[in-house]
Amino acid sequence: GAVVSQHPSRVICKSGTSVKIECRSLDFQATTMFWYRQFPKQSLMLMATSNEGSKATYEQGVEKDKFLINHASLTLSTLTVTSAHPEDSSFYICSAREGGGSYNEQFFGPGTRLTVL
Amino acid sequence: AQSVTQLDSHVSVSEGTPVLLRCNYSSSYSPSLFWYVQHPNKGLQLLLKYTSAATLVKGINGFEAEFKKSETSFHLTKPSAHMSDAAEYFCVVRNYNQGGKLIFGQGTELSVKP
Repeated sequence: GAVVSQHPSRVICKSGTSVKIECRSLDFQATTMFWYRQFPKQSLMLMATSNEGSKATYEQGVEKDKFLINHASLTLSTLTVTSAHPEDSSFYICSAREGGGSYNEQFFGPGTRLTVL
Repeated sequence: AQSVTQLDSHVSVSEGTPVLLRCNYSSSYSPSLFWYVQHPNKGLQLLLKYTSAATLVKGINGFEAEFKKSETSFHLTKPSAHMSDAAEYFCVVRNYNQGGKLIFGQGTELSVKP
């Protein structure tokens, strides 16, 4: 199946710094990418939908100025957590949907563990 | 609106015994349903999907699920558990009203005892 990578897999940063997480579709073009957040022992919460070449659509309650999303190419989307605080510590997972169809399969990355000290 | 409810937050079985993870769905349309597995600190892997074809869906690693419209259920089963099956399992429905977004259940943690 299609492969989605994330980098870094794990990051530890100090409070107040910004962290960028990359999501790449390795062998297919992804018009749409999704960013999820997962707290320990909980389900995935959709944060935003990222469409190549346009602004991301954020879910209710997600601060767009806090979580900056850029989808500059058909194979790369980035999530930047700005001025990170300990409450932003979480597991962030991206997903990429192949092609332009809304019902095409989504492929998930391996996740990035963010720890803010 | 579409939603899924996983009836058990944790299931424990012995190695070699059957696995049953329960999921009920709510959907105004004929749903697309999925089961994903997540091993610790890993991303999600698709086990199987139902998209209005055969009601009994076979997936990877010996898992299968049966779509039962009358019961609004999509339970995941496996005849014989392996230690490597220990993981978190998510039942997921696609939301047609919101551009095909995936809606996740709360997850079921499967433990397998030797």
